[in-house]
Amino acid sequence: SQQGEEDPQALSIQEGENATMNCSYKTSINNLQWYRQNSGRGLVHLILIRSNEREKHSGRLRVTLDTSKKSSSLLITASRAADTASYFCATEGNSGYSTLTFGKGTMLLVSP
Amino acid sequence: NAGVTQTPKFQVLKTGQSMTLQCAQDMNHEYMSWYRQDPGMGLRLIHYSVGAGITDQGEVPNGYNVSRSTTEDFPLRLLSAAPSQTSVYFCASSPQGGSYGYTFGSGTRLTVV
Repeated sequence: SQQGEEDPQALSIQEGENATMNCSYKTSINNLQWYRQNSGRGLVHLILIRSNEREKHSGRLRVTLDTSKKSSSLLITASRAADTASYFCATEGNSGYSTLTFGKGTMLLVSP
Repeated sequence: NAGVTQTPKFQVLKTGQSMTLQCAQDMNHEYMSWYRQDPGMGLRLIHYSVGAGITDQGEVPNGYNVSRSTTEDFPLRLLSAAPSQTSVYFCASSPQGGSYGYTFGSGTRLTVV
C-alpha cells in the first residue's frame, strides 16, 4: 500500500513562478525524501529530511516536515523549464528493515 | 563510477517465459531494492536486500525471485511471465537503506504479451 500521497497530482506553472507540492503519509517515519523523475528516466534523489527536522534547504529547494500532521511540502523557487518532471515523496518507516515507500507523484509542467 | 546499471533497457516476453533482469552497482552499497512502476501507481517495492546473502519481500513479491550472492549484483528473476507483469522495473541502491538517498538505475521497460 502507498504510504505517501502527493498533492496535487499535476501542476502547471510559468517559468519564474514557485511550485509547491505536498505529501501526506500514514505511519511514523524516520525520514522523508523527495525524488525527481524526468520522463522515461530513473529517479534522482533531491533531498532528505529527518523526523526531528522541520525545514531543510538545498539550492532552490525548500522542504518542510510536520510530523504532527504527517505531512511534508516541497517548494521549488524560481522554476525553470528544466524543472519539468514528476516529483515523488518517499518515507522510511521506523520499524523493521529500512526500506522506502513511495507516493504516486506530482507531475510538474513549467512553461517558458 | 557507473552508479547503478540495469540491463536490458527494453524486453518483450511471451506469457509463460522466464527471464532475469540484471542490476549491478559499483558504489559498494549494502542495500539494494527492486521496484516496479505502473501508471498512476507510483513505485512499489518488489524485493530488497540489506547485504550479500540477505533478501526479503516487499509489497508485491509474487511471481518474482531474487538472490544476492555478491554486494555488486542483485538480479530479479521472473519465473513465468504474465501480462500483469508488464511494467517499468527500477533497481536502486543505498549505503544504508532509507536513512540515505537511493541511487536509481535507468530502468527496464518490460512488456509481456
